[in-house]
Amino acid sequence: ETGVTQTPRHLVMGMTNKKSLKCEQHLGHNAMYWYKQSAKKPLELMFVYNFKEQTENNSVPSRFSPECPNSSHLFLHLHTLQPEDSALYLCASSLRKGSELGTDTQYFGPGTRLTVL
Amino acid sequence: AQKITQTQPGMFVQEKEAVTLDCTYDTSDPSYGLFWYKQPSSGEMIFLIYQGSYDQQNATEGRYSLNFQKARKSANLVISASQLGDSAMYFCAMRAPSGGSYIPTFGRGTSLIVHP
Repeated sequence: ETGVTQTPRHLVMGMTNKKSLKCEQHLGHNAMYWYKQSAKKPLELMFVYNFKEQTENNSVPSRFSPECPNSSHLFLHLHTLQPEDSALYLCASSLRKGSELGTDTQYFGPGTRLTVL
Repeated sequence: AQKITQTQPGMFVQEKEAVTLDCTYDTSDPSYGLFWYKQPSSGEMIFLIYQGSYDQQNATEGRYSLNFQKARKSANLVISASQLGDSAMYFCAMRAPSGGSYIPTFGRGTSLIVHP
């Protein structure tokens, strides 16, 4: 596997279900991100992890729970979601090298298309 | 606050012609990076090109070039010799300091359709 992978690619769940999204990066990067992309809305940053530590939580509801066990893996645990949470969830990673943060390019996975019934 | 503006919701271009996608940005910091991504209907965001605020020359990557006009705060993407496979959403993004972090900011995107 190369780049950033995400599983599953498609997920349909009921509002009472619990599911998890998985992201894995094979680029040797140190930062990982979760984004939500809804129709007709800009890309929304949800969480940022740098060196396994959460550094940003963009006022995300607690029904979304991230987990970053190491720099290569990122999970998004989902429970009691609402239909408005239906969206494309994108994972990204970046090198996060020293202070050169303006040049820190993000590389994205293919996304998980989530439908909440 | 950081802001990216893409004013063209949709663009159409004939195959083999060049097309320019507009992007303007707003930041008060002199150090920042500008990025363009392509998102086909499959969903994956594909990194295309990067321009640093201190770079003297416009960035180029194959058929992609970035027309960087710092004084006007614009970073337009130019695609030369358009191909049918270029049909996709295109997003402009910026990384600039904000409260001690470099949170990426994305524009709303431009939908490009290439006609045969």
